[in-house]
Amino acid sequence: EVQLLESGGGLVQPGGSLRLSCAASGFTFSSYAMNWVRQAPGKGLEWVSGISGSGGNTYHADSVKGRFTISRDNSKNTLYLQMNGLRAEDTALYLCASEKPGYCSGGSCYPAYFQHWGQGTLVTVSS
Amino acid sequence: DIQMTQSPSSLSASVGDRVTITCRASQSISTYLNWYQQKPGKAPMLLIYAASRLQSGVPSRFSGSGSGTEFTLTISSLQPEDFATYYCQQSYTTPRTFGQGTRVEIK
Repeated sequence: EVQLLESGGGLVQPGGSLRLSCAASGFTFSSYAMNWVRQAPGKGLEWVSGISGSGGNTYHADSVKGRFTISRDNSKNTLYLQMNGLRAEDTALYLCASEKPGYCSGGSCYPAYFQHWGQGTLVTVSS
Repeated sequence: DIQMTQSPSSLSASVGDRVTITCRASQSISTYLNWYQQKPGKAPMLLIYAASRLQSGVPSRFSGSGSGTEFTLTISSLQPEDFATYYCQQSYTTPRTFGQGTRVEIK
């Protein structure tokens, strides 16, 4: 059974830092791109960051670029999100999600999608 | 970045109703469009991928259509367990943008 378990959230003052972790099990972690998606209280889903299976390629939303860094340790089956310079607007539930890769077959191409999700860890930025 | 716009933002419907949600992309994304369902306090769950392909285990009352910039999610006969928020998401490019969500409520 696939499991994604986030941790590391909490209350932090504006300008502070946190490191989130997502421990994965039940699948070949290194074969899958991974993502962080956040959801502010009562709001919709916002993609935050993504990383390739090898860790060689990383991507961040403009809203967090320069402040957040996604990384992974495939030997530990763990995904990370280092968050610096936190702002009130970063307050949200942070979920990790594995991404099933897109592929082409028989002349048709199929997109990547977020296949498995954790339950999230809550980050609150407030003084 | 590709913007995804859903309509309506919310709707009220009764059990047995046919419900349609629309998602528009700011540029063509072919069929690189996925739909997710999220219930309160739960993680999102994939319903439809590639615009129209039903994820394994998802009831056949859910269907998706569209390509390019316009997409629809249809629930043919709304069931009590379908009251939730629905999100479209494009994976044509990074960032993987979501629509703002459509909340389906009980009438």
